[in-house]
Amino acid sequence: DVKVTQSSRYLVKRTGEKVFLECVQDMDHENMFWYRQDPGLGLRLIYFSYDVKMKEKGDIPEGYSVSREKKERFSLILESASTNQTSMYLCASSPGQVRINTEAFFGQGTRLTVV
Amino acid sequence: GDSVTQMEGPVTLSEEAFLTINCTYTATGYPSLFWYVQYPGEGLQLLLKATKADDKGSNKGFEATYRKETTSFHLEKGSVQVSDSAVYFCALYTGNQFYFGTGTSLTVIP
Repeated sequence: DVKVTQSSRYLVKRTGEKVFLECVQDMDHENMFWYRQDPGLGLRLIYFSYDVKMKEKGDIPEGYSVSREKKERFSLILESASTNQTSMYLCASSPGQVRINTEAFFGQGTRLTVV
Repeated sequence: GDSVTQMEGPVTLSEEAFLTINCTYTATGYPSLFWYVQYPGEGLQLLLKATKADDKGSNKGFEATYRKETTSFHLEKGSVQVSDSAVYFCALYTGNQFYFGTGTSLTVIP
């Protein structure tokens, strides 16, 4: 079974802190994604990566950056946390640009609260 | 651009009732279509998928048919159970990234 593991289930951080959310997948997937989930807004794509050291902005990249130094690990960084970044963060991975039988595999989510 | 529109919730049903959650999409080319389910406090799990027109995805009594002519992928179940209470997301994949609907919350009462 594919496993996507996020480093924390719950985090509480202070405004202005630098925050790292880590995600690791064990199926050698090329693609990795970071979403945030808010009530009524569904999942919104922050950043994605289709290869090591490659990254693409999603729909809401402002206030975030990412790092992908190894294929299995994709980190989301909040440079200076703000209260409007309080949310559920979901990491996902998928095989490369294969149409048939592709799917996204999700981690369990990190609920971040910025106070 | 590519997008997914799904039925607003929340939906509340009695046990053994029939469920339909509507989903329509806009996409260039021929996307793959998915339904994901999210139980409280967890990430998303794949429920079913379809990769081409007229395909029917099915799992755990849920079904959805890829309708190219109506650009739809409606989720159905003939008899819901309390354990089906969750949030359901319709999604499409275009070969580059996934697009998700806003989610439909389902509560099934005994």
